[in-house]
Amino acid sequence: DTAVSQTPKYLVTQMGNDKSIKCEQNLGHDTMYWYKQDSKKFLKIMFSYNNKELIINETVPNRFSPKSPDKAHLNLHINSLELGDSAVYFCASSPRQITNEKLFFGSGTQLSVL
Amino acid sequence: GESVGLHLPTLSVQEGDNSIINCAYSNSASDYFIWYKQESGKGPQFIIDIRSNMDKRQGQRVTVLLNKTVKHLSLQIAATQPGDSAVYFCAENIMGTSGSRLTFGEGTQLTVNP
Repeated sequence: DTAVSQTPKYLVTQMGNDKSIKCEQNLGHDTMYWYKQDSKKFLKIMFSYNNKELIINETVPNRFSPKSPDKAHLNLHINSLELGDSAVYFCASSPRQITNEKLFFGSGTQLSVL
Repeated sequence: GESVGLHLPTLSVQEGDNSIINCAYSNSASDYFIWYKQESGKGPQFIIDIRSNMDKRQGQRVTVLLNKTVKHLSLQIAATQPGDSAVYFCAENIMGTSGSRLTFGEGTQLTVNP
C-alpha cells in the first residue's frame, strides 16, 4: 500500500487552464504539505496543513489554493496556469506539526504548462 | 569521492568507493536534520536523521556527521553501489511560531560508475 499517493503523475495543460492535484495519505498523520521542485531540483515548501487547518502559507500566488477536506487528504488547485508553474509538485505528510519528525513524500506530479 | 557544499552539485565515484556529500545549513537555531535520497521519477526518501544534541549517527552503510560550530552536515556512504546513484538532499528543521518547517538544501547528484 502506498503511504502518500498523489494523482495524476503527469499533467500537461495549456496556459490559462485550471487544474487540480490530489493527495491522500494512509499513515494516520496529522500534518500534510505541498512542496514545489523546480528544474534545478530545488525543493521549496508551499503549504502545510495540520488537522485540516492551514499552518504554513509561503509566498505563493493566490492562484494556488490548497484544500483539506479531512486530515488524510490535501488537494492543490491551481487557477489560470502560467508557464512558470511548470514543475514537479510533491505532497508529503508527517505525524505531527510541532515536533521534529521526518516527512514522507509522494511520488510527485510533473506539471507541464504549454 | 567528496562534494563540497553548494558549489559542486555533482559527485561521481567508482563502485565500492566511499562517498561523502557535504551540506552547509543556514540557521544556527535548526535543531533537527535529515538526509533524503531522490531517485529519478520518484519522491524524496528518508535516509537518516540527526538531532542537534548529537554529532554523529550511523545507519546501514550511511553515517551522518553534524558540526554545529560551522553549521555543516555530511553524509558518508560506505562501499557505494550503483543503486546509490540519486540526488541527495540535506534538510534542516526550524521550530517557529507556527510549528516546525523543513527547509531543503540544493541537492547533490551522486553518480556511481560500475
